[in-house]
Amino acid sequence: SQQGEEDPQALSIQEGENATMNCSYKTSINNLQWYRQNSGRGLVHLILIRSNEREKHSGRLRVTLDTSKKSSSLLITASRAADTASYFCATDGSGGSNYKLTFGKGTLLTVNP
Amino acid sequence: DVKVTQSSRYLVKRTGEKVFLECVQDMDHENMFWYRQDPGLGLRLIYFSYDVKMKEKGDIPEGYSVSREKKERFSLILESASTNQTSMYLCASSRHMVWGTEAFFGQGTRLTVV
Repeated sequence: SQQGEEDPQALSIQEGENATMNCSYKTSINNLQWYRQNSGRGLVHLILIRSNEREKHSGRLRVTLDTSKKSSSLLITASRAADTASYFCATDGSGGSNYKLTFGKGTLLTVNP
Repeated sequence: DVKVTQSSRYLVKRTGEKVFLECVQDMDHENMFWYRQDPGLGLRLIYFSYDVKMKEKGDIPEGYSVSREKKERFSLILESASTNQTSMYLCASSRHMVWGTEAFFGQGTRLTVV
């Protein structure tokens, strides 16, 4: 079974609005990462948050991590049409292996111009 | 720039064939991964490797095997291809770091088994 589950499965917003995606996971982790995938392409790393961190920022991205609830959120502020993509959370350190990197099912974000 | 190269973008194979998917990275990364991606199921981990000749099963290893004879190359093998293995296959690599490190992905191989 997959470690991470993103919510919602799909999100449609207007340009300029904020987009929030959530990720829940099942077992303890070392780190949580967020990736973006444009249609038909490989995944690109966005941001990594360690298990001892609660919040992290990178440009228009803000990630929070709540290890007690086993959940994370990704906020994209002032969204642009170019942000249209699928977003995945990934966790490592689960299943007894520090190197195992598992992904969720993703959130499809559509930003309408 | 880190580069992860998968040998084919598109591949069509017949049921029962032995299929090799190759992945090469040029940044001396210790970890390498194979995933398959299907609509509505996200990325599912097939196998990963944390060193040469070392491999661990992921979440869906059945019907697959892997080989890592050199650090830069990680091969995924479908011993006898079946139609339910039609999918997008993604390879990734990353460094060993206790506090985490990003994974770099190839462009994917879209495999169709007929």
